[in-house]
Amino acid sequence: AQSVTQLDSQVPVFEEAPVELRCNYSSSVSVYLFWYVQYPNQGLQLLLKYLSGSTLVKGINGFEAEFNKSQTSFHLRKPSVHISDTAEYFCAVSEPGGGADGLTFGKGTHLIIQP
Amino acid sequence: DARVTQTPRHKVTEMGQEVTMRCQPILGHNTVFWYRQTMMQGLELLAYFRNRAPLDDSGMPKDRFSAEMPDATLATLKIQPSEPRDSAVYFCASGSAFGGYTFGSGTRLTVV
Repeated sequence: AQSVTQLDSQVPVFEEAPVELRCNYSSSVSVYLFWYVQYPNQGLQLLLKYLSGSTLVKGINGFEAEFNKSQTSFHLRKPSVHISDTAEYFCAVSEPGGGADGLTFGKGTHLIIQP
Repeated sequence: DARVTQTPRHKVTEMGQEVTMRCQPILGHNTVFWYRQTMMQGLELLAYFRNRAPLDDSGMPKDRFSAEMPDATLATLKIQPSEPRDSAVYFCASGSAFGGYTFGSGTRLTVV
């Protein structure tokens, strides 16, 4: 069974500074990887996904993530954050090769942007 | 933009009452998920359907929860009887890994 570990429950960052949110996964088969963002009292919005091919994936709102198979990681980065990026960020994995499409989520990382 | 619609947005009910949550997936999406979000457990997969057939409901307490897709435009999650520990936000999502999964805005359930 797959699992996802988000190493930081909370990350405070100053506005316009770079940020990295860490995600590690565990799986015995090939995986698809996702990052979602959740703003207060809203559903989850897809930021980006890795299915195959280039290990550097670009998403919406200036975010990108890099898939590292050897380190089983899929860290999310943004070179310069804005106040509006304050939200909860979730890393997720699915194992379509294992016959299950359901997403397994990490516990989330609360990104706090300080002015 | 196409969206997943969930009703109701909020529900407060008394312990022991039946609760039904509804989801209208995006037209053409053949995979539909139900998730539950709590502070303690985070996001948990309860059940999912493909082409309206239930594929996995192992995350769902079978004695009180049931999930159905009576047609391609409606998925339902029912709790009977409800308990205070069922208080959570319930999300529906539809789509595929290739296209990405779209989540609804959720139903916030409070059982008192």
